[in-house]
Amino acid sequence: DQQVKQNSPSLSVQEGRISILNCDYTNSMFDYFLWYKKYPAEGPTFLISISSIKDKNEDGRFTVFLNKSAKHLSLHIVPSQPGDSAVYFCAATYTGANSKLTFGKGITLSVRP
Amino acid sequence: DAGVIQSPRHEVTEMGQEVTLRCKPISGHNSLFWYRQTMMRGLELLIYFNNNVPIDDSGMPEDRFSAKMPNASFSTLKIQPSEPRDSAVYFCASTLAGGGWWQFFGPGTRLTVL
Repeated sequence: DQQVKQNSPSLSVQEGRISILNCDYTNSMFDYFLWYKKYPAEGPTFLISISSIKDKNEDGRFTVFLNKSAKHLSLHIVPSQPGDSAVYFCAATYTGANSKLTFGKGITLSVRP
Repeated sequence: DAGVIQSPRHEVTEMGQEVTLRCKPISGHNSLFWYRQTMMRGLELLIYFNNNVPIDDSGMPEDRFSAKMPNASFSTLKIQPSEPRDSAVYFCASTLAGGGWWQFFGPGTRLTVL
Protein backbone atom coordinates (compact mmCIF):
# COMPACT_ATOMS: atom_id res chain seq x y z
CA ASP A 1 0.00 0.00 0.00
CA GLN A 2 1.64 3.16 -1.23
CA GLN A 3 1.46 5.84 1.45
CA VAL A 4 3.14 8.37 -0.83
CA LYS A 5 1.82 8.49 -4.38
CA GLN A 6 3.23 10.14 -7.44
CA ASN A 7 0.60 9.18 -9.95
CA SER A 8 2.14 10.73 -13.05
CA PRO A 9 5.23 8.77 -14.09
CA SER A 10 6.53 11.46 -16.42
CA LEU A 11 6.24 15.11 -17.36
CA SER A 12 7.60 17.02 -20.34
CA VAL A 13 7.81 20.82 -20.40
CA GLN A 14 9.39 23.50 -22.56
CA GLU A 15 12.45 25.32 -21.30
CA GLY A 16 11.47 28.52 -19.53
CA ARG A 17 8.00 27.28 -18.62
CA ILE A 18 6.76 26.14 -15.23
CA SER A 19 7.06 22.50 -14.17
CA ILE A 20 4.53 21.28 -11.61
CA LEU A 21 5.17 17.91 -9.99
CA ASN A 22 2.44 16.49 -7.79
CA CYS A 23 2.47 14.17 -4.80
CA ASP A 24 -0.32 12.77 -2.63
CA TYR A 25 -0.09 11.01 0.71
CA THR A 26 -2.45 8.93 2.78
CA ASN A 27 -0.86 8.79 6.25
CA SER A 28 -2.20 11.61 8.45
CA MET A 29 0.79 11.26 10.75
CA PHE A 30 3.18 12.63 8.14
CA ASP A 31 4.33 16.09 9.19
CA TYR A 32 7.45 16.68 7.14
CA PHE A 33 7.89 16.34 3.41
CA LEU A 34 10.92 16.34 1.14
CA TRP A 35 11.71 16.34 -2.55
CA TYR A 36 14.74 14.54 -3.91
CA LYS A 37 16.24 14.82 -7.38
CA LYS A 38 18.01 11.97 -9.11
CA TYR A 39 20.19 12.01 -12.22
CA PRO A 40 21.00 8.77 -14.08
CA ALA A 41 23.76 6.69 -12.49
CA GLU A 42 23.73 8.85 -9.36
CA GLY A 43 22.03 8.62 -6.00
CA PRO A 44 19.10 10.88 -5.09
CA THR A 45 20.03 14.27 -3.66
CA PHE A 46 17.96 16.42 -1.35
CA LEU A 47 16.27 19.34 -3.08
CA ILE A 48 13.75 21.08 -0.81
CA SER A 49 11.52 20.30 2.15
CA ILE A 50 8.49 21.62 4.00
CA SER A 51 7.10 21.20 7.47
CA SER A 52 3.40 20.72 8.05
CA ILE A 53 3.25 24.00 9.97
CA LYS A 54 3.85 25.79 6.67
CA ASP A 55 2.01 25.77 3.38
CA LYS A 56 4.81 27.06 1.21
CA ASN A 57 8.59 26.94 1.09
CA GLU A 58 10.69 28.61 -1.57
CA ASP A 59 14.31 28.17 -2.58
CA GLY A 60 15.35 29.97 -5.72
CA ARG A 61 13.51 28.51 -8.70
CA PHE A 62 11.98 25.76 -6.55
CA THR A 63 8.82 26.15 -4.47
CA VAL A 64 6.96 23.44 -2.61
CA PHE A 65 3.31 23.89 -1.68
CA LEU A 66 1.52 21.83 0.94
CA ASN A 67 -2.25 21.38 1.22
CA LYS A 68 -2.78 19.39 4.41
CA SER A 69 -6.53 19.08 4.10
CA ALA A 70 -6.14 17.51 0.67
CA LYS A 71 -3.02 15.57 1.70
CA HIS A 72 -1.34 16.94 -1.37
CA LEU A 73 1.92 18.67 -2.12
CA SER A 74 3.45 19.99 -5.28
CA LEU A 75 6.86 21.11 -6.46
CA HIS A 76 6.99 24.09 -8.81
CA ILE A 77 10.08 24.82 -10.87
CA VAL A 78 10.13 28.24 -12.49
CA PRO A 79 11.64 28.73 -14.98
CA SER A 80 12.42 25.16 -16.00
CA GLN A 81 15.88 24.49 -17.43
CA PRO A 82 17.23 21.51 -19.40
CA GLY A 83 19.48 20.70 -16.42
CA ASP A 84 16.36 20.08 -14.36
CA SER A 85 15.68 16.94 -16.39
CA ALA A 86 15.82 14.17 -13.80
CA VAL A 87 13.67 11.87 -11.68
CA TYR A 88 11.99 13.64 -8.76
CA PHE A 89 11.00 11.70 -5.66
CA CYS A 90 8.54 12.92 -3.09
CA ALA A 91 9.16 11.65 0.46
CA ALA A 92 7.37 11.97 3.78
CA THR A 93 8.06 11.31 7.43
CA TYR A 94 6.78 12.16 10.89
CA THR A 95 8.14 13.06 14.28
CA GLY A 96 9.16 9.85 15.97
CA ALA A 97 9.75 7.98 12.74
CA ASN A 98 13.42 7.48 13.63
CA SER A 99 14.58 9.35 10.53
CA LYS A 100 12.68 6.88 8.30
CA LEU A 101 11.45 8.34 5.00
CA THR A 102 8.66 6.94 2.84
CA PHE A 103 9.23 7.62 -0.84
CA GLY A 104 6.94 7.77 -3.84
CA LYS A 105 7.75 6.05 -7.12
CA GLY A 106 9.18 9.17 -8.70
CA ILE A 107 8.36 11.38 -11.68
CA THR A 108 10.65 11.69 -14.70
CA LEU A 109 10.84 15.33 -15.76
CA SER A 110 12.08 16.19 -19.24
CA VAL A 111 12.73 19.83 -20.05
CA ARG A 112 12.87 20.44 -23.79
CA PRO A 113 15.31 23.12 -25.03
CA ASP B 1 34.77 15.38 2.07
CA ALA B 2 33.69 11.90 0.95
CA GLY B 3 30.02 11.13 0.69
CA VAL B 4 28.41 7.73 1.08
CA ILE B 5 30.54 5.13 -0.66
CA GLN B 6 29.09 2.00 -2.20
CA SER B 7 30.77 -0.94 -3.87
CA PRO B 8 30.65 -2.45 -6.34
CA ARG B 9 28.97 0.06 -8.68
CA HIS B 10 27.86 -2.72 -10.97
CA GLU B 11 27.38 -6.42 -10.32
CA VAL B 12 26.37 -9.08 -12.79
CA THR B 13 25.86 -12.56 -11.44
CA GLU B 14 24.05 -15.76 -12.20
CA MET B 15 20.94 -16.98 -10.49
CA GLY B 16 21.74 -18.89 -7.32
CA GLN B 17 24.97 -17.06 -6.57
CA GLU B 18 25.61 -15.08 -3.40
CA VAL B 19 25.83 -11.30 -3.79
CA THR B 20 27.29 -8.90 -1.23
CA LEU B 21 26.83 -5.16 -1.50
CA ARG B 22 28.91 -2.82 0.62
CA CYS B 23 28.40 0.62 2.06
CA LYS B 24 30.50 3.14 3.95
CA PRO B 25 28.35 5.90 5.46
CA ILE B 26 29.42 9.50 5.94
CA SER B 27 31.68 9.80 8.96
CA GLY B 28 29.73 10.86 12.04
CA HIS B 29 26.37 9.72 10.73
CA ASN B 30 24.65 7.23 13.01
CA SER B 31 21.70 6.13 10.89
CA LEU B 32 22.10 3.97 7.79
CA PHE B 33 19.45 2.92 5.29
CA TRP B 34 19.36 0.34 2.48
CA TYR B 35 16.93 1.01 -0.40
CA ARG B 36 16.06 -0.80 -3.60
CA GLN B 37 14.89 1.05 -6.71
CA THR B 38 12.81 -0.62 -9.41
CA MET B 39 10.55 0.76 -12.10
CA MET B 40 7.52 -0.94 -10.63
CA ARG B 41 7.94 -0.01 -6.97
CA GLY B 42 10.17 3.06 -6.99
CA LEU B 43 12.41 3.53 -3.94
CA GLU B 44 11.69 0.92 -1.30
CA LEU B 45 13.26 0.96 2.14
CA LEU B 46 14.66 -2.49 2.90
CA ILE B 47 16.21 -2.01 6.34
CA TYR B 48 17.72 0.70 8.50
CA PHE B 49 20.12 0.89 11.41
CA ASN B 50 20.52 3.37 14.24
CA ASN B 51 23.87 3.25 16.03
CA ASN B 52 24.66 -0.04 14.25
CA VAL B 53 21.48 -1.70 15.53
CA PRO B 54 18.80 -2.83 13.04
CA ILE B 55 15.62 -0.89 13.81
CA ASP B 56 13.21 -1.90 11.07
CA ASP B 57 13.75 -4.72 8.60
CA SER B 58 10.11 -5.02 7.54
CA GLY B 59 11.05 -4.05 4.00
CA MET B 60 13.41 -6.97 3.49
CA PRO B 61 11.61 -9.03 0.84
CA GLU B 62 12.44 -12.48 2.15
CA ASP B 63 14.92 -14.57 4.06
CA ARG B 64 17.31 -14.56 1.16
CA PHE B 65 18.16 -10.98 2.10
CA SER B 66 20.25 -10.12 5.13
CA ALA B 67 22.05 -6.97 6.29
CA LYS B 68 24.71 -6.31 8.87
CA MET B 69 26.41 -3.30 10.34
CA PRO B 70 29.41 -4.52 12.33
CA ASN B 71 30.64 -0.99 13.07
CA ALA B 72 29.75 2.64 12.47
CA SER B 73 31.66 2.85 9.21
CA PHE B 74 30.59 -0.25 7.33
CA SER B 75 27.46 -2.15 6.32
CA THR B 76 26.68 -5.05 4.00
CA LEU B 77 23.57 -6.24 2.24
CA LYS B 78 23.71 -9.88 1.21
CA ILE B 79 21.44 -11.83 -1.11
CA GLN B 80 21.79 -15.60 -0.99
CA PRO B 81 20.75 -17.18 -3.28
CA SER B 82 20.14 -14.43 -5.80
CA GLU B 83 17.25 -14.55 -8.29
CA PRO B 84 16.55 -12.60 -11.52
CA ARG B 85 13.78 -10.62 -9.78
CA ASP B 86 16.39 -9.18 -7.44
CA SER B 87 17.80 -7.17 -10.35
CA ALA B 88 17.56 -3.52 -9.34
CA VAL B 89 19.62 -0.58 -8.17
CA TYR B 90 20.45 -0.76 -4.48
CA PHE B 91 21.15 2.45 -2.61
CA CYS B 92 22.68 3.06 0.75
CA ALA B 93 21.96 6.32 2.59
CA SER B 94 23.08 7.80 5.88
CA THR B 95 22.07 10.63 8.17
CA LEU B 96 22.62 11.98 11.65
CA ALA B 97 19.60 10.95 13.71
CA GLY B 98 18.04 14.07 15.15
CA GLY B 99 20.13 16.27 12.90
CA GLY B 100 17.54 16.72 10.17
CA TRP B 101 15.27 14.64 8.02
CA TRP B 102 17.32 14.60 4.87
CA GLN B 103 19.38 11.54 4.04
CA PHE B 104 22.53 11.44 1.96
CA PHE B 105 22.57 8.76 -0.68
CA GLY B 106 25.42 6.82 -2.22
CA PRO B 107 25.72 6.36 -5.99
CA GLY B 108 24.05 2.95 -5.87
CA THR B 109 24.93 -0.57 -7.00
CA ARG B 110 23.26 -1.78 -10.16
CA LEU B 111 22.66 -5.51 -9.72
CA THR B 112 21.81 -7.78 -12.62
CA VAL B 113 20.99 -11.41 -11.91
CA LEU B 114 20.93 -13.58 -15.02
